[in-house]
Amino acid sequence: SQKIEQNSEALNIQEGKTATLTCNYTNYSPAYLQWYRQDPGRGPVFLLLIRENEKEKRKERLKVTFDTTLKQSLFHITASQPADSATYLCGVTDSWGKFQFGAGTQVVVTP
Amino acid sequence: KAGVTQTPRYLIKTRGQQVTLSCSPISGHRSVSWYQQTPGQGLQFLFEYFSETQRNKGNFPGRFSGRQFSNSRSEMNVSTLELGDSALYLCASSLSPGLAENEQFFGPGTRLTVL
Repeated sequence: SQKIEQNSEALNIQEGKTATLTCNYTNYSPAYLQWYRQDPGRGPVFLLLIRENEKEKRKERLKVTFDTTLKQSLFHITASQPADSATYLCGVTDSWGKFQFGAGTQVVVTP
Repeated sequence: KAGVTQTPRYLIKTRGQQVTLSCSPISGHRSVSWYQQTPGQGLQFLFEYFSETQRNKGNFPGRFSGRQFSNSRSEMNVSTLELGDSALYLCASSLSPGLAENEQFFGPGTRLTVL
């Protein structure tokens, strides 16, 4: 069956360090992969989309990689700040066009 | 530009009742999707609509239905409510159909509690 897996344990990180989150997928062959941020009680907010022919994409302090051989995407937040504390979700579309999210990884940045 | 709006924001119903949730997409967006979010199952895809047509449906029972109007506004309906339907229901809009390659803009959600 198709699965998207993200670290279920919260990632606790000190301000200024780089947070790295993992998104692994099974039995998908996505042409695109997306990352969203979600704060408690609010809807997700789009962050980045990466295409299968792009190995890396950056936006300000965010960097995403996409390895279609490993079936994995890494999401990095550099110089993390307390305001980066949130849950980060990755998502892809399955073979039928239905969008599937991973369970998300909570990031907690402490001063 | 106004964001995605959802009404109502909070709703309390009892088992067996039905409920209708509403979503107004960003102006100019014609694709609307719905998701259910629960602590146990996370964010799960319900349906996607474009130009008043359902393009995709997630793995939910027939009690969950939706529709889209000519102005792109969308509603979803849940009939014969069960306790397990308690969740945050999120609507998202996109400029174009095809969720893979299009950014989705989410609304604040409707928190449904079934007693």
